[in-house]
Amino acid sequence: EPEVTQTPSHQVTQMGQEVILRCVPISNHLYFYWYRQILGQKVEFLVSFYNNEISEKSEIFDDQFSVERPDGSNFTLKIRSTKLEDSAMYFCASSDPPADTQYFGPGTRLTVL
Amino acid sequence: AQSVTQLDSQVPVFEEAPVELRCNYSSSVSVYLFWYVQYPNQGLQLLLKYLSGSTLVESINGFEAEFNKSQTSFHLRKPSVHISDTAEYFCALKRSSGGYQKVTFGTGTKLQVIP
Repeated sequence: EPEVTQTPSHQVTQMGQEVILRCVPISNHLYFYWYRQILGQKVEFLVSFYNNEISEKSEIFDDQFSVERPDGSNFTLKIRSTKLEDSAMYFCASSDPPADTQYFGPGTRLTVL
Repeated sequence: AQSVTQLDSQVPVFEEAPVELRCNYSSSVSVYLFWYVQYPNQGLQLLLKYLSGSTLVESINGFEAEFNKSQTSFHLRKPSVHISDTAEYFCALKRSSGGYQKVTFGTGTKLQVIP
């Protein structure tokens, strides 16, 4: 069964450093998403992406964050200058038209020291 | 705005006993409803979903949920749990219009199955 994959599974970085989290969505899906889950809290929406542009973003998704689909298979989330509070599990998701259901990857645990 | 409420943060239950995980939602527009499961140290997996049609939906591993519009609920049930069902369960919703609409999650319920 096709699945969303994410790399790395765990990323440790120093505060102020840039990180790029990578995702490979399910191949025929056209809608892509990033969510995050701070330890002990609920899963929160960050951004949705369709047709090479952001469709919707939350208030969390500020100028420190950016997303890109650099080729036909990858979908990335970049955090330009990480903060301690960016430590969380980051989930990528994708869906196909009509985008009723989102399928999630296994997540990348980001630890900012 | 939409919201999902899962009142029970933890539910301990003995193996082979029945379980119900409660979920209530609030929305002024039509929504789709989902249950996702997160096993220890793993990602989110779709367990079951309600999009339209029959209000009772089932998963392949014996869970079921019933959409109740009048009570704005989507409770998850299983008649007999196994040790392997130990996980965190998230109720979620999404607007039914607009393909890229975000999923809004509840705070999760940790199901602990006791041998």
